[in-house]
Amino acid sequence: EPEVTQTPSHQVTQMGQEVILRCVPISNHLYFYWYRQILGQKVEFLVSFYNNEISEKSEIFDDQFSVERPDGSNFTLKIRSTKLEDSAMYFCASSERVAGGRLEQYFGPGTRLTVT
Amino acid sequence: GQQLNQSPQSMFIQEGEDVSMNCTSSSIFNTWLWYKQEPGEGPVLLIALYKAGELTSNGRLTAQFGITRKDSFLNISASIPSDVGIYFCAGQTNAGGTSYGKLTFGQGTILTVHP
Repeated sequence: EPEVTQTPSHQVTQMGQEVILRCVPISNHLYFYWYRQILGQKVEFLVSFYNNEISEKSEIFDDQFSVERPDGSNFTLKIRSTKLEDSAMYFCASSERVAGGRLEQYFGPGTRLTVT
Repeated sequence: GQQLNQSPQSMFIQEGEDVSMNCTSSSIFNTWLWYKQEPGEGPVLLIALYKAGELTSNGRLTAQFGITRKDSFLNISASIPSDVGIYFCAGQTNAGGTSYGKLTFGQGTILTVHP
């Protein structure tokens, strides 16, 4: 069964450093998303991406964040200058559009980002 | 912004018992989804609901989309130890206009099943 994959599974970085989190969505999916989950809290939406551009973003997704689909398979989240509060699990999700505008999102296993 | 209230926050039950959890919202959603998350993993889709009043089953799981489109419940019958995890409800507006399927999640229900 096709699945979303993410690398690395765990990333440790120092405050102020740039990190790139990588995702390979399910191959026939066209809608891509990033979410984050701070330890013990709920999953929060960051950004959605469709047709090579950001379609929606949350207030969390400020100028320090960017997303890119550099080729036909990868989808990346970059944090330019990490802060301690960026420590969280970051989940990538993808979906395809089915009848009625339905979008069932399938999540990857996540990348645990630890900022020290 | 849109908020989902999920209850209960946690449940401790004996194997074989039935479980019920629910979500309410101040906003209407076009789709309700229920996910399960196990430690260190991503949310796994259990059930998706598309129409107000819809009742859908997936094995021992049953979920309903409320008539007002502002609530949903999930029932698990005859629980087993592998049902342990965190269950999240999520509301979604359909793709179209400025929405591309952003999910708003509830706070989660932590389920513990004692053998």
